[in-house]
Amino acid sequence: NAGVTQTPKFQVLKTGQSMTLQCAQDMNHNSMYWYRQDPGMGLRLIYYSASEGTTDKGEVPNGYNVSRLNKREFSLRLESAAPSQTSVYFCASSEGEVSGANVLTFGAGSRLTVL
Amino acid sequence: GQQVMQIPQYQHVQEGEDFTTYCNSSTTLSNIQWYKQRPGGHPVFLIQLVKSGEVKKQKRLTFQFGEAKKNSSLHITATQTTDVGTYFCAYSGNTGKLIFGQGTTLQVKP
Repeated sequence: NAGVTQTPKFQVLKTGQSMTLQCAQDMNHNSMYWYRQDPGMGLRLIYYSASEGTTDKGEVPNGYNVSRLNKREFSLRLESAAPSQTSVYFCASSEGEVSGANVLTFGAGSRLTVL
Repeated sequence: GQQVMQIPQYQHVQEGEDFTTYCNSSTTLSNIQWYKQRPGGHPVFLIQLVKSGEVKKQKRLTFQFGEAKKNSSLHITATQTTDVGTYFCAYSGNTGKLIFGQGTTLQVKP
């Protein structure tokens, strides 16, 4: 049981390049999330998907797009990377509100550097 | 929008000392969760509190939810080096998304 798997673990981009962070979960969870973590800022929600077929903006969505490809997979795309997007990105999943306890399981993280 | 503030941001303690982190909101929260992130790791769920005045314990960790459901605390008794990490509180917004506080980073000197 792998839980939540993120790829890649590390990536260096040049300003203006694009890339997609992949996330997959094997727990049959309904909801999936993308957070970014910066020093002193905690975890900030970028986008989330409450259920398959739906996505919604979080606290810091600008510069990002997401796709809930199916129930298992939720990808995060940077169309034109900027140095301000240098961060550690975490994908997470949960059973969702229907379970009454929206507990998140996190992936190991993807460290992105934009030069 | 609704936010939670965590204090302190950093705490250094001697091994064996107690440690407390606080999570405060200006509005009533439906629930509060606590997560721990080890250095270089990812956040891991510790506990959820739902009821006013609720107190839960996990070994040396004690979690409280305030009577007004506007604040919460995590207290660690007799810290150990294995307690090192960042502790986050988080709450579910009205659309189900989970919003995190800034975290408290705990350093323990052996």
